[in-house]
Amino acid sequence: DAGITQSPRHKVTETGTPVTLRCHQTENHRYMYWYRQDPGHGLRLIHYSYGVKDTDKGEVSDGYSVSRSKTEDFLLTLESATSSQTSVYFCAISESSGGTDTQYFGPGTRLTVL
Amino acid sequence: GENVEQHPSTLSVQEGDSAVIKCTYSDSASNYFPWYKQELGKRPQLIIDIRSNVGEKKDQRIAVTLNKTAKHFSLHITETQPEDSAVYFCAASPPDTGKLIFGQGTTLQVKP
Repeated sequence: DAGITQSPRHKVTETGTPVTLRCHQTENHRYMYWYRQDPGHGLRLIHYSYGVKDTDKGEVSDGYSVSRSKTEDFLLTLESATSSQTSVYFCAISESSGGTDTQYFGPGTRLTVL
Repeated sequence: GENVEQHPSTLSVQEGDSAVIKCTYSDSASNYFPWYKQELGKRPQLIIDIRSNVGEKKDQRIAVTLNKTAKHFSLHITETQPEDSAVYFCAASPPDTGKLIFGQGTTLQVKP
């Protein structure tokens, strides 16, 4: 499982509240990613990081922010959750120093925004 | 940017038959193409991958072929078994981006 954990695993929240999801890795990989998974859309990249304090946007970044203050932790924040952000969120890491290589996924977080 | 289209969205086969899933990509510079299998309620797991300098790769009952000229790649599963039932995702990686762009997924059902 490439030493990836996500917390929480399940969360129910209300529209307008802030939410932070955490991804933690134990193997010092440089690249980390946040995806969301919705029926019919596959896995869509939200944000990714290529080092401490180095992040960039993916294809569906609106409404999300990220932070990476330590190599092992990559946080995804929904500043004001909306029902359209109800989804399953997966964190991933890449073992390659250059990023273009196999990605391994965490167990996922199921988020429901009421 | 890169765009990946995956077909079919659902596929039903009899146990023992072969299954083929196809993906097309738009960025001719993409150079890495993994396939993931996701069982219900689980995380996506890599099952096979191929790089642009290779035309075909096999691993037991699974094979992937790549046609760079046509910009498409396919997953072939032979002698399917009920445990092959899952959602399969293809992806493409443009060079020097550190990113994977995924297809929409194919739900494979293998009937006993």
